[in-house]
Amino acid sequence: ETGVTQSPTHLIKTRGQQVTLRCSSQSGHNTVSWYQQALGQGPQFIFQYYREEENGRGNFPPRFSGLQFPNYSSELNVNALELDDSALYLCASSSILAGGEQFFGPGTRLTVL
Amino acid sequence: QQQVKQSPQSLIVQKGGISIINCAYENTAFDYFPWYQQFPGKGPALLIAIRPDVSEKKEGRFTISFNKSAKQFSLHIMDSQPGDSATYFCAASMDQAGTALIFGKGTTLSVSS
Repeated sequence: ETGVTQSPTHLIKTRGQQVTLRCSSQSGHNTVSWYQQALGQGPQFIFQYYREEENGRGNFPPRFSGLQFPNYSSELNVNALELDDSALYLCASSSILAGGEQFFGPGTRLTVL
Repeated sequence: QQQVKQSPQSLIVQKGGISIINCAYENTAFDYFPWYQQFPGKGPALLIAIRPDVSEKKEGRFTISFNKSAKQFSLHIMDSQPGDSATYFCAASMDQAGTALIFGKGTTLSVSS
């Protein structure tokens, strides 16, 4: 088990709603990355936060946004939910000083109806 | 365009046998290649990783073989056990800090006893 925690575990929303997912990084890690994993697929990179700023973004629309807080925890916000947003959302923490390997949390399962 | 291609999609191996999963990449700027193991309901867990300056890395029963000229790398699981039954993902990124991990689509391994 990594020290990365995510909440909530599961979430059900309806199309058009907004959702906020939360992640607490492993102790000593200052970088958080978010990934979307559709059923039966590999994780896809959404974006990364380092020192409270976005530090790289994948091919996701602007309605996917995030925040990182001074304690390095992070939020992923998704506006105007679409059915295709149903997926497992994973957060991974890392630290360049600790080698840069990314350690994943258990994920939040989002279902959009 | 998929940048990391993984095969096979599924694999059945007898207990004690060797499991082999292959990946091919396109972007020659990739210089960090990790393998992750994922159990149902869990986040991916880092198994082993390699940089292109070595052709092989072994950790316990897990070995990565890397062929830079062919842009291919593979995971070998020796003496496969039922507890190894999981989904395995190869990934690649342009620096060990994992600015963005690009994942393959995964291989579901079943080890029969």
